[in-house]
Amino acid sequence: ETGVTQTPRHLVMGMTNKKSLKCEQHLGHNAMYWYKQSAKKPLELMFVYNFKEQTENNSVPSRFSPECPNSSHLFLHLHTLQPEDSALYLCASSQDNGGDTEAFFGQGTRLTVV
Amino acid sequence: GDSVTQMEGPVTLSEEAFLTINCTYTATGYPSLFWYVQYPGEGLQLLLKATKADDKGSNKGFEATYRKETTSFHLEKGSVQVSDSAVYFCALSGRNTPLVFGKGTRLSVIA
Repeated sequence: ETGVTQTPRHLVMGMTNKKSLKCEQHLGHNAMYWYKQSAKKPLELMFVYNFKEQTENNSVPSRFSPECPNSSHLFLHLHTLQPEDSALYLCASSQDNGGDTEAFFGQGTRLTVV
Repeated sequence: GDSVTQMEGPVTLSEEAFLTINCTYTATGYPSLFWYVQYPGEGLQLLLKATKADDKGSNKGFEATYRKETTSFHLEKGSVQVSDSAVYFCALSGRNTPLVFGKGTRLSVIA
């Protein structure tokens, strides 16, 4: 496989469930990102991991918990979500060498909270 | 902080029409500029980019020129096809900063 792969592609969960989104990149990049894409809103950067260290957390509620065990894998653990959390969650990766950042995206996980 | 403003959609064009999607930005320093495209049911794909003033990015018939004096990076295509129907995002990235995206412009091309 090449590029950035996200699983599952679709997820329906109840508000009391716990689930995890998975992202894997095969590009040798050192930075990974979670974005949230909601209808009629700009893409929202949620978390940034650089060399496995979290470098950015844009005031995301604690019911979203990221995990980056190595530079190729990124998880987003979900717990006690709300219906307004329903969205497309996009993972991206880039090679952060201190210069400008071009990111490569996965196909996203379409999350529906019921 | 850095921001990107792009024209509101949706934009509906007939096949072979000329396309312009406006994008302006606010940033400190000299960011790199990007256009990403999102086809239905897919993630974002890089369409083209420009890293310094007066650079022209081009791909698949699309072009955009980095205009520092007007802080703009408008996307153009001379003759659109039905297969170009998608959502287009303008974005910027400064030194050591993640991508900042505009709200996206939905393009529908009808035969």
